Amino acid sequence: QQQVKQSPQSLIVQKGGISIINCAYENTAFDYFPWYQQFPGKGPALLIAIRPDVSEKKEGRFTISFNKSAKQFSLHIMDSQPGDSATYFCAASSGSRLTFGEGTQLTVNP
Amino acid sequence: EAQVTQNPRYLITVTGKKLTVTCSQNMNHEYMSWYRQDPGLGLRQIYYSMNVEVTDKGDVPEGYKVSRKEKRNFPLILESPSPNQTSLYFCASSLKPPGGVSYNSPLHFGNGTRLTVT
Repeated sequence: QQQVKQSPQSLIVQKGGISIINCAYENTAFDYFPWYQQFPGKGPALLIAIRPDVSEKKEGRFTISFNKSAKQFSLHIMDSQPGDSATYFCAASSGSRLTFGEGTQLTVNP
Repeated sequence: EAQVTQNPRYLITVTGKKLTVTCSQNMNHEYMSWYRQDPGLGLRQIYYSMNVEVTDKGDVPEGYKVSRKEKRNFPLILESPSPNQTSLYFCASSLKPPGGVSYNSPLHFGNGTRLTVT
């Protein structure tokens, strides 16, 4: 049973466009929501994270939007670049465990 | 350089032959964890450790064992591997557990071990 559901599974965007990846969760005890970025042959690396008492967090071209009542959060990548092509994982944590979504393979075409 | 080191990177073995995947971190992190990555399923936690001699099951612990005798090392043991354990495995560590009050404690991942069990 996947506690964090992620969509879409794959996404193709043109350079300069906006990439949007969505996640939904069930467990209301989750209190930390990070996004990880993974390049081929590498382990995931933290990209950006948000706490549930904040509705939006922005770092450069990356923004997390958080809707606590809907139990949903999303990653927006503005002005997407070919170098952003990677697999993105949302995740949620309560205390000692981090639960990941299924992943989204993003391709940004030049 | 701060890093999480896994060995080996690639491993092909046969059903039932015991194997160990090693994981070592040089950041003095308390928290360590093992994940497996499968297409369409994302990263699923196998085991985690809050500190030396403290380990607990994740979401998919069946068929795996771990130990944490030293703070820097967290090996993953498959005592009788089966083909359904063919996967990409990641070890990760963080200064503190990833949630709760430790919001600024990101997980640092190794580069993975691709295991094939025939």
